[in-house]
Amino acid sequence: DGGITQSPKYLFRKEGQNVTLSCEQNLNHDAMYWYRQDPGQGLRLIYYSQIVNDFQKGDIAEGYSVSREKKESFPLTVTSAQKNPTAFYLCASTFSSTDTQYFGPGTRLTVL
Amino acid sequence: GQQLNQSPQSMFIQEGEDVSMNCTSSSIFNTWLWYKQDPGEGPVLLIALYKAGELTSNGRLTAQFGITRKDSFLNISASIPSDVGIYFCAGRTLSSGSARQLTFGSGTQLTVLP
Repeated sequence: DGGITQSPKYLFRKEGQNVTLSCEQNLNHDAMYWYRQDPGQGLRLIYYSQIVNDFQKGDIAEGYSVSREKKESFPLTVTSAQKNPTAFYLCASTFSSTDTQYFGPGTRLTVL
Repeated sequence: GQQLNQSPQSMFIQEGEDVSMNCTSSSIFNTWLWYKQDPGEGPVLLIALYKAGELTSNGRLTAQFGITRKDSFLNISASIPSDVGIYFCAGRTLSSGSARQLTFGSGTQLTVLP
């Protein structure tokens, strides 16, 4: 059963803590993306990776970090430097030759 | 980044009515995509468009890639309660290069009244 999984579904963090959001895909996709969604807004790109061991900053990368050690995995770390981290985070993936991105179910992060 | 203007922002319709929403931009797009998002879930791809003028259907949904390549619309016919959700347009511009970054509209919140 192929797809994109994100965990956890809900995450609570205290101010000053780093947290890592998981994204895994078994679709054999080359490219993976992280987006942030705030109420009433479109998706904003945080980071993306087109191949293993390489990634690029998106429009709002400050306060976030990523790694791409395996093709299947693209974890996102929300650091304490991110001033307003409470949001819904979405991971997506696609083949590098196509535009149609497929999304995971999302992780809702709340900072207490 | 690029700007996509999606309208309307929200719609309240009666069950059985047809719905139309659109996205416009000042930039030229190579690809237009339409997604639907249910509350607390990730967006699901509805329709993908790749050529100017292309008209594609998926059940009761029809979408078109504008001939100027700067706009796209989505129609839903005979709406039903499960059509409720947020509909997003997304597109890839010429300038996105090999990164294939998508630009997203801000969404249309659809409510279907019984």
